[in-house]
Amino acid sequence: DIQLTQSPSFLSASVGDRVTITCRASQGISSHLVWYQQKPGKAPKLLIDAASTLQSGVPSRFSGSGSGTEFTLTISSLQPEDFATYYCQQRTRYPITFGQGTRLEIK
Amino acid sequence: EVQLVESGGNLVQPGGSLRLSCAASGFTFSTYSMTWVRQAPGKGLEWVANIRYDGNEKYYVDSVKGRFTISRDDAKNSMFLQMNSLRVEDTAVYYCARLCGSGGNWYSTFDFWGQGTLVTVSS
Repeated sequence: DIQLTQSPSFLSASVGDRVTITCRASQGISSHLVWYQQKPGKAPKLLIDAASTLQSGVPSRFSGSGSGTEFTLTISSLQPEDFATYYCQQRTRYPITFGQGTRLEIK
Repeated sequence: EVQLVESGGNLVQPGGSLRLSCAASGFTFSTYSMTWVRQAPGKGLEWVANIRYDGNEKYYVDSVKGRFTISRDDAKNSMFLQMNSLRVEDTAVYYCARLCGSGGNWYSTFDFWGQGTLVTVSS
């Protein structure tokens, strides 16, 4: 199975900060990496597909990059609504796997 | 508007069975592959199973193989998850979601999700 390791697992930041979350894959997955945002009690929301393709309606302050085994999700200027948990997911091969999540909280 | 509504979650004893349903609307259900993803209380996301748009391919995480069965009824715009031999560790919110791409162009990015249904396995 392909393991995804996110770092950090917990991040405390302030409104307006620039933050980066890393997702490392245990083997190469090309660009088959997806990012989701989840708020408490809600379903995950698709943010970025194929490592860097922003989904329609997602603010441009979100961006993704990477290929192979290392990927990043960057939020250029945190807004209050961005405080949530973020998950990466690989879709290269079965079983589909998620990272353990990065919880982003307000400092 | 795409909508996915799960139902069927409940409290069940270990070894018991449960059938989850996912009712879809707002898109041509028969042309989309679908998935179940679960989330144990306070934990992360775990993919459970995929079913191809035509129902001819099904994939499962190892921990549910032989116990869970994913299926669909396009006439009812619905997907199902039959869960047998339930274990305490199956306790989770179960989400259904749609895969990106219609027909043969599907891939396992989940673009629309339901609100989830809670399955609790406990004696």
